[in-house]
Amino acid sequence: SYELTQPPSVSVSPGQTARITCSGDALPKQYAYWYQQKPGQAPVLVIYKDSERPSGIPERFSGSSSGTTVTLTISGVQAEDEADYYCQSADSSGTVVFGGGTKLTVL
Amino acid sequence: QVQLQESGPGLVKPSQTLSLTCTVSGGSISSGGYYWSWIRQHPGKGLEWIGYIYYSGSTYYNPSLKSRVTISVDTSKNQFSLKLSSVTAADTAVYYCARVLSSGSGTSHWFDPWGQGTLVTVSS
Repeated sequence: SYELTQPPSVSVSPGQTARITCSGDALPKQYAYWYQQKPGQAPVLVIYKDSERPSGIPERFSGSSSGTTVTLTISGVQAEDEADYYCQSADSSGTVVFGGGTKLTVL
Repeated sequence: QVQLQESGPGLVKPSQTLSLTCTVSGGSISSGGYYWSWIRQHPGKGLEWIGYIYYSGSTYYNPSLKSRVTISVDTSKNQFSLKLSSVTAADTAVYYCARVLSSGSGTSHWFDPWGQGTLVTVSS
């Protein structure tokens, strides 16, 4: 079955830039989406269609795509950004797939 | 703005059927334009898409769960529901409902907003 691969963890100091990657063979043909999930809360959409930012999401969140890898970038990381981040896309048949998640730690 | 709320038993016995309902407020399911989905998260693990439904009743399921899943819609109550049969401990998870948005071509889907989630434990 199709898989999206994320690093289990990323650590960054406050004010620095965090980059979280997501790799998958179908990503050149399918959009990717990113969700932020804080402990005990439901996921929140932070990036859609590779690089679009929903209203209400801070400008420090951005997304990009290159080949089979998409990247969520958080510029000027704040303590409140500490969370799990999940990428999501679909395989060639349209079946929705989530990455395994990346725990962002703000040192 | 649209809000979703899951409801249903928090404890289900093995081999029985898990049943959950998602109530949508702030918008009408029957207005069209959106699918409505169920997603689950095993304790301490990642997210797993279960399936989604259109107000007309058209459904799409994760192939890995398709044989046990039924998603239905009740437009009169502005609700949609999940039934998962023959449950085992492996079905213990937080179950979320969410609205599905689609790209213009309809080949790409994403989820926003989500309900707060409800924990379902499968145990005798």
